[in-house]
Amino acid sequence: GAGVSQTPSNKVTEKGKYVELRCDPISGHTALYWYRQSLGQGPEFLIYFQGTGAADDSGLPNDRFFAVRPEGSVSTLKIQRTERGDSAVYLCASSLFPTDTQYFGPGTRLTVL
Amino acid sequence: AQTVTQSQPEMSVQEAETVTLSCTYDTSENNYYLFWYKQPPSRQMILVIRQEAYKQQNATENRFSVNFQKAAKSFSLKISDSQLGDTAMYFCACDKLIFGTGTRLQVFP
Repeated sequence: GAGVSQTPSNKVTEKGKYVELRCDPISGHTALYWYRQSLGQGPEFLIYFQGTGAADDSGLPNDRFFAVRPEGSVSTLKIQRTERGDSAVYLCASSLFPTDTQYFGPGTRLTVL
Repeated sequence: AQTVTQSQPEMSVQEAETVTLSCTYDTSENNYYLFWYKQPPSRQMILVIRQEAYKQQNATENRFSVNFQKAAKSFSLKISDSQLGDTAMYFCACDKLIFGTGTRLQVFP
């Protein structure tokens, strides 16, 4: 079956702009996770959804970052007023239920000029 | 707070040999899961092996096995008969969404 997909694969934007990153989880997976990975680092947790609700958003760095999952499937990570420090690979993962194995998408590489 | 520590930034091994990657963690949970993920240059994160903390038996998956020492909070990964395709970054993770900083493994022919 299809794995986790993320679009776009690459996004280049200018400082101060707004961006949206999309994640399509594996069908039937109730849990969805967003991570940010900087060069040479491990994934850094941002937010986790169980169904439509954000079960844990403690990793969001500030109020410029927001994520939604309105129908419990596709999720969108939204970044307002982008800064150069937001440049990273944004990874999405999904799992059948919380604490189960997470299956990762290929990531979106965001570059803020 | 949970933490995961990988103290080996880089490791290398010759093809067909065995290598062990180290990981220590800290958690206040009683029941938890531990994972090893592989991330090749393509950047797709792939699950290698998973261990449930309440199980005493070490998990194995073909050439991959773990040495899980719950009291010591240690969770090392052993790769036997290393293959060139094993070259990648390896991340240890605890189920509360915490990853280590990774170990870059290079397998030489």
